[in-house]
Amino acid sequence: GENVEQHPSTLSVQEGDSAVIKCTYSDSASNYFPWYKQELGKRPQLIIDIRSNVGEKKDQRIAVTLNKTAKHFSLHITETQPEDSAVYFCAARGSNYQLIWGAGTKLIIKP
Amino acid sequence: GAGVSQSPSNKVTEKGKDVELRCDPISGHTALYWYRQSLGQGLEFLIYFQGNSAPDKSGLPSDRFSAERTGGSVSTLTIQRTQQEDSAVYLCASSLGPRTDNSPLHFGNGTRLTVT
Repeated sequence: GENVEQHPSTLSVQEGDSAVIKCTYSDSASNYFPWYKQELGKRPQLIIDIRSNVGEKKDQRIAVTLNKTAKHFSLHITETQPEDSAVYFCAARGSNYQLIWGAGTKLIIKP
Repeated sequence: GAGVSQSPSNKVTEKGKDVELRCDPISGHTALYWYRQSLGQGLEFLIYFQGNSAPDKSGLPSDRFSAERTGGSVSTLTIQRTQQEDSAVYLCASSLGPRTDNSPLHFGNGTRLTVT
């Protein structure tokens, strides 16, 4: 079946450094890839998304890149800040329009 | 605020009892989703409602799980004869349009269900 693998499961970076989270999807027909951020005890919230007709999208300190040939996409956070600490989920829209979710990455920003 | 509202926020129940979880979506949102989130896991799709169309129930794990959406608004997820493995956070989300147009999901705070 369709699946999305997300790595790493935990990422610890020094404040100010960059963080990269990677996801690989199986359904070559997937054409929409959102990223959600879930702070401790709070609801997941959309932070950025990308459609398959572009290879990169930026929004201030966050960016997402997509490689359709390799079927992987990545979230990049630059100049990390304490408020970036959270669990990040990637997802891919499958051929039946369902979102298939990665297992999440816990990002820890060390002061 | 007019966010997605879920109740109760926490529910502790004994094995074998039935539970009902409620979701009040954002007004005007036509799509409603239920997900299950186990500790340290991703989001497991349960069911999707879109307008008056038949729901996509393909994610429901067993016939003990059912959901309905009355009047295109409030939804209830019912778990009958609860088992310990049903313990999880149940998240509801709504979106303005159908999933085919990639509308962002707006999540509620979830209901933490503990089956003892």
